[in-house]
Amino acid sequence: KAGVTQTPRYLIKTRGQQVTLSCSPISGHRSVSWYQQTPGQGLQFLFEYFSETQRNKGNFPGRFSGRQFSNSRSEMNVSTLELGDSALYLCASSLFVQGFNYGYTFGSGTRLTVV
Amino acid sequence: QQQVKQSPQSLIVQKGGISIINCAYENTAFDYFPWYQQFPGKGPALLIAIRPDVSEKKEGRFTISFNKSAKQFSLHIMDSQPGDSATYFCAASWGAQKLVFGQGTRLTINP
Repeated sequence: KAGVTQTPRYLIKTRGQQVTLSCSPISGHRSVSWYQQTPGQGLQFLFEYFSETQRNKGNFPGRFSGRQFSNSRSEMNVSTLELGDSALYLCASSLFVQGFNYGYTFGSGTRLTVV
Repeated sequence: QQQVKQSPQSLIVQKGGISIINCAYENTAFDYFPWYQQFPGKGPALLIAIRPDVSEKKEGRFTISFNKSAKQFSLHIMDSQPGDSATYFCAASWGAQKLVFGQGTRLTINP
């Protein structure tokens, strides 16, 4: 059974640019969440999509956005990159059945470096 | 109220010993408490999880103890092995909401 796949694994971008990260969830999982991990702030929730709808949103500026496609694959976009956006971006998929969460499975992440 | 406080930040245990990591929360609406293990260059991997209707859950060498009245839960790793050296995160969530993570504990098992 394939796990959560995130691409690319590494990215180097310049301040002011924008970036798109991709996440393919485990087959059958309709929920995809995105987290930012930094040494200082730890793991912070960005947003969650379920059946192509954003269901929850964290406390990040509007430069961070996402979407989910009909096949449950998700992308997140960061516009006007800042040095502080350098982080490991993690995607997690989960299986919800009748409102019950069977746990989150994380991908290996995309390491974004902004220079 | 959204925070989950984790301690200690780092922990060194001898091989064969018991590793104990503690977490505390405030939000009584939390109904799902997982522990994750993360190795360098990898995403967090679910180790074990508990819901507040039980006080303890054991899976192999890993045990979660849950104290609902104290709003605390802990991870015990029995017979700790060098391969257990990793960063451990506790987390909490409610309903279909986001995971709120603790700050992490870097565990080192000395051979």
